[in-house]
Amino acid sequence: EVQLVESGGGLVQPGGSLRLSCAASGLTFGNYAMGWVRQAPGKGLEWVSVISGDGDYTKYADSVKGRFTISRDNSKNTLYLQMNSLRVDDTAVYYCGTLHNYGYTQWGQGALVTVSS
Amino acid sequence: QTVVTQEPSFSVSPGGTATLTCGLSSGSVSTSYYPSWYQQTPGQSPRTLIYDTNTRSSGVPDRFSGSILGNKAALTITGAQADDEADYYCLLYMGSGVRVFGGGTKLTVL
Repeated sequence: EVQLVESGGGLVQPGGSLRLSCAASGLTFGNYAMGWVRQAPGKGLEWVSVISGDGDYTKYADSVKGRFTISRDNSKNTLYLQMNSLRVDDTAVYYCGTLHNYGYTQWGQGALVTVSS
Repeated sequence: QTVVTQEPSFSVSPGGTATLTCGLSSGSVSTSYYPSWYQQTPGQSPRTLIYDTNTRSSGVPDRFSGSILGNKAALTITGAQADDEADYYCLLYMGSGVRVFGGGTKLTVL
């Protein structure tokens, strides 16, 4: 059974930084592209970023480009999202997911990030 | 900027059929957008129903099906049940690695 477990969420001030992790098990991690999706309180899903299985290819939504960095460590079966220059409107639950071709197939339970002074 | 459109809300009777759609503010959705569909209930993570237009995710009952109807992607739920009441989101692949979610449809079964 595939399991994805996010960690690293919390409260941070505007302008601050946070790194999310997503630990994967039950799959050959390096064979899967992975990504992050977020959901602001009471709002819909927003696509954030993807990374290829080997980590060589990344893509970002315009709303986070230049501030967020997605990466992975296939030796640790872990996906990361480094978030810098955080803004109040980055407040959301962040989900990691596995990708099959162009859509997500497995999801984590989510990590809450709150950006507030 | 292209917006992915979904019905904000949809009602279906128990046992009935619901067809939710996913369109573009400009242009038509085709299989080249690799539409996928997700179900989310309050406080839960999304659950993948359909990917690559019409491939059901593991464990998803065949009451859920995906297709292209006219110029939109569609999710059809046949024999609607009370626990199908949820938010449903489509995701389109826009090319160059970029994906965009629709705004979601709140499905009511009553």
